[in-house]
Amino acid sequence: DAGVTQSPTHLIKTRGQHVTLRCSPISGHKSVSWYQQVLGQGPQFIFQYYEKEERGRGNFPDRFSARQFPNYSSELNVNALLLGDSALYLCASSSRGQSGNTIYFGEGSWLTVV
Amino acid sequence: AQKITQTQPGMFVQEKEAVTLDCTYDTSDPSYGLFWYKQPSSGEMIFLIYQGSYDQQNATEGRYSLNFQKARKSANLVISASQLGDSAMYFCAMRESLTGGFKTIFGAGTRLFVKA
Repeated sequence: DAGVTQSPTHLIKTRGQHVTLRCSPISGHKSVSWYQQVLGQGPQFIFQYYEKEERGRGNFPDRFSARQFPNYSSELNVNALLLGDSALYLCASSSRGQSGNTIYFGEGSWLTVV
Repeated sequence: AQKITQTQPGMFVQEKEAVTLDCTYDTSDPSYGLFWYKQPSSGEMIFLIYQGSYDQQNATEGRYSLNFQKARKSANLVISASQLGDSAMYFCAMRESLTGGFKTIFGAGTRLFVKA
């Protein structure tokens, strides 16, 4: 079975542009969460979606938004990119939206803002 | 404020020996989950082991075991019989419930170097 898949794997954007990152969860998983990992730090929670509804949001500005589709795939959108948005963006899926369930991560999307 | 603390930025261990990676946490939520993930240089986060706050026994998964001391709020990872392939970043994480969902907080990580 395929794991969590993310696209694109690498991309370069300029300041002020917009970016869309995509994530397909493990088959049967209904929960998707997004994390930002800046070089040298641990991942920071951005969003969690379950059954197409936002269930959790971290301390990120409104430039960050996301959505989950009927097939449970998800998009993360970032507007008005800043140099500080350069990071590895990780998507994770789990079978349910509860805290006890293991989440499985994709390989991430490496975003560089220049 | 909820947080995860990993005080060891880097650790060295000789191949085939055991190593303990430290993790302490702070939360007021009575229901939480503790996780350890391995992150190789490729970037992917690999799940290693899980411990629920109400679990009575320490979790074990193959060569990985979690030394859970609830009163001290610590959840150290023990890797037995280290292998060269264990060289990577290791993150301790805590899952807390939100209304209808959850959030996960990660520590800063510990880089493990396994020496031949």
